[in-house]
Amino acid sequence: GAVVSQHPSWVICKSGTSVKIECRSLDFQATTMFWYRQFPKQSLMLMATSNEGSKATYEQGVEKDKFLINHASLTLSTLTVTSAHPEDSSFYICSARDRTSGPEGQETQYFGPGTRLLVL
Amino acid sequence: KQEVTQIPAALSVPEGENLVLNCSFTDSAIYNLQWFRQDPGKGLTSLLLIQSSQREQTSGRLNASLDKSSGRSTLYIAASQPGDSATYLCAVQGTYNFNKFYFGSGTKLNVKP
Repeated sequence: GAVVSQHPSWVICKSGTSVKIECRSLDFQATTMFWYRQFPKQSLMLMATSNEGSKATYEQGVEKDKFLINHASLTLSTLTVTSAHPEDSSFYICSARDRTSGPEGQETQYFGPGTRLLVL
Repeated sequence: KQEVTQIPAALSVPEGENLVLNCSFTDSAIYNLQWFRQDPGKGLTSLLLIQSSQREQTSGRLNASLDKSSGRSTLYIAASQPGDSATYLCAVQGTYNFNKFYFGSGTKLNVKP
């Protein structure tokens, strides 16, 4: 089946530094990828939709200058948490839509294994 | 705005029991509903997907039902096993924005040997 990978799987960094997380679709092309955040004991919340070759679309309340998204190819999207602070510590999960898996609106989304970020 | 609620938040049962997890959503204009499994510190595994026109889906010991008009879905797990221990999430995909999944906060299941 289709696989989505994330790297790194976990990261610890000091407050004020920037952290980049990669999301890759390994065996399919994804024109659209999604970034979610999950705080402990809470549900996943969509942060932004990443479109290949164009700007990402951010959900209300998500700072686009803090969470930089780049979707430079059909198999890679990156999320950079700039000037990270302890409140950014969370579990970040990406998903990718396989554009060949069905008609528009019915494409299957595959989720990555997640990246746990801890900001000290 | 769509809101998804899951009850109970946690459930502990002895091995072999049949159990039901509940999911409710406030806006019935959904495209589909999906049940996922999440193991600790891991990503999501899709279990069952029900299109809005369907009433239920089955896969092995799992059966998911959907009552769109009342905004409810249930996940039935038959003959539970310790390996079923995980957090189960339901998510709805909106009719007007296929990009967006609205997730519930999950039910944490513990099946005791």
